[in-house]
Amino acid sequence: GQNIDQPTEMTATEGAIVQINCTYQTSGFNGLFWYQQHAGEAPTFLSYNVLDGLEEKGRFSSFLSRSKGYSYLLLKELQMKDSASYLCAVRGDYKLSFGAGTTVTVRA
Amino acid sequence: ETGVTQSPTHLIKTRGQQVTLRCSSQSGHNTVSWYQQALGQGPQFIFQYYREEENGRGNFPPRFSGLQFPNYSSELNVNALELDDSALYLCASSQEGGGDYGYTFGSGTRLTVV
Repeated sequence: GQNIDQPTEMTATEGAIVQINCTYQTSGFNGLFWYQQHAGEAPTFLSYNVLDGLEEKGRFSSFLSRSKGYSYLLLKELQMKDSASYLCAVRGDYKLSFGAGTTVTVRA
Repeated sequence: ETGVTQSPTHLIKTRGQQVTLRCSSQSGHNTVSWYQQALGQGPQFIFQYYREEENGRGNFPPRFSGLQFPNYSSELNVNALELDDSALYLCASSQEGGGDYGYTFGSGTRLTVV
């Protein structure tokens, strides 16, 4: 089975840094994705990790430890437009299994 | 390069009715997956189509069925609608296996069953 856990909500101040953790227990692993989803919109791709370590893309970074079943998404220099839900998803043999999402609220 | 297009954007149906949702995949993508997203939840995998065949299915009953066409577009059909089927239905296209960029999602169809 698939079990993917992430915090429900996080709040941070504009310009700050927020780290969203994701732990997973899955029957197969072929990579971990992070998506951003604004209310009522499609999830949009942020990052992909298949090997252990840190991947950096501008203000966003993602880390993976396969032995610990753990990933995090780091959002730096937060902007108001970063207020959204962030979804952690693990790819198994042929599908993505998603966590419930973390709602990040950025305050001025 | 066009993205993933879904239609309709919103739909209201009565319990017991049938519904068909449509998805046009991104150019160059040959695999289509469908997901159901209830309010406040992450998307749940329904099934995936590759080369017009279903090649993976999640924990959804047989009244959820689909098709993929030679141009890689796809349909999701739901029979005997139930109130719990109310959700955002997302279509995602990809290259076979998903690649390093995973899946491109459409904006979804918001289905309300009353």
